[in-house]
Amino acid sequence: GDSVTQMEGPVTLSEEAFLTINCTYTATGYPSLFWYVQYPGEGLQLLLKATKADDKGSNKGFEATYRKETTSFHLEKGSVQVSDSAVYFCALRLSNTGNQFYFGTGTSLTVIP
Amino acid sequence: EAGVTQSPTHLIKTRGQQATLRCSPISGHTSVYWYQQALGLGLQFLLWYDEGEERNRGNFPPRFSGRQFPNYSSELNVNALELEDSALYLCASSLLWRSETQYFGPGTRLLVL
Repeated sequence: GDSVTQMEGPVTLSEEAFLTINCTYTATGYPSLFWYVQYPGEGLQLLLKATKADDKGSNKGFEATYRKETTSFHLEKGSVQVSDSAVYFCALRLSNTGNQFYFGTGTSLTVIP
Repeated sequence: EAGVTQSPTHLIKTRGQQATLRCSPISGHTSVYWYQQALGLGLQFLLWYDEGEERNRGNFPPRFSGRQFPNYSSELNVNALELEDSALYLCASSLLWRSETQYFGPGTRLLVL
């Protein structure tokens, strides 16, 4: 079935370190891919998205490229800040499932000064 | 613009009781989605309502039900509560059912004792 697998956490990095959070997917159709972020005590917020192969989503210094050949959508940031500490969720959406999203289990990131 | 709101923020029930959770979407949004975020399991899709009708449901038993009111607000009911129903329940809304972006509320944390 359709699903998303993302790397296990928690991840702890020092400020200004490089971040990669891996995400791979399984889908029967042509999904749109998303990264959502959940800051402590808040709901999920859309971080970035890509709707077709080779698209790159970007926001707040984060980037992810839709790789159809490897069925991946890895999240990267060149220099993390303490304020990036949050839980990150990879998700896919297939339009033929009525706008249902499939989420990964989330990866907790803590950035230390 | 007010975001998605949910009430209550916390709810404590005992096994066998019923829980009612409420969600108000962003003004103008017609679609409402419910997700369960259990510890270690990520977000699991529960229900999708659009224009007052249930459009899709996830792999949950029938004791999870809900409805959408004419003002597009929504209610999630969980009957015959079980311990494993303890989770954060998130509501999201979108402008149209085709919209790729879902906006999430802060959630209701349900604890079943």
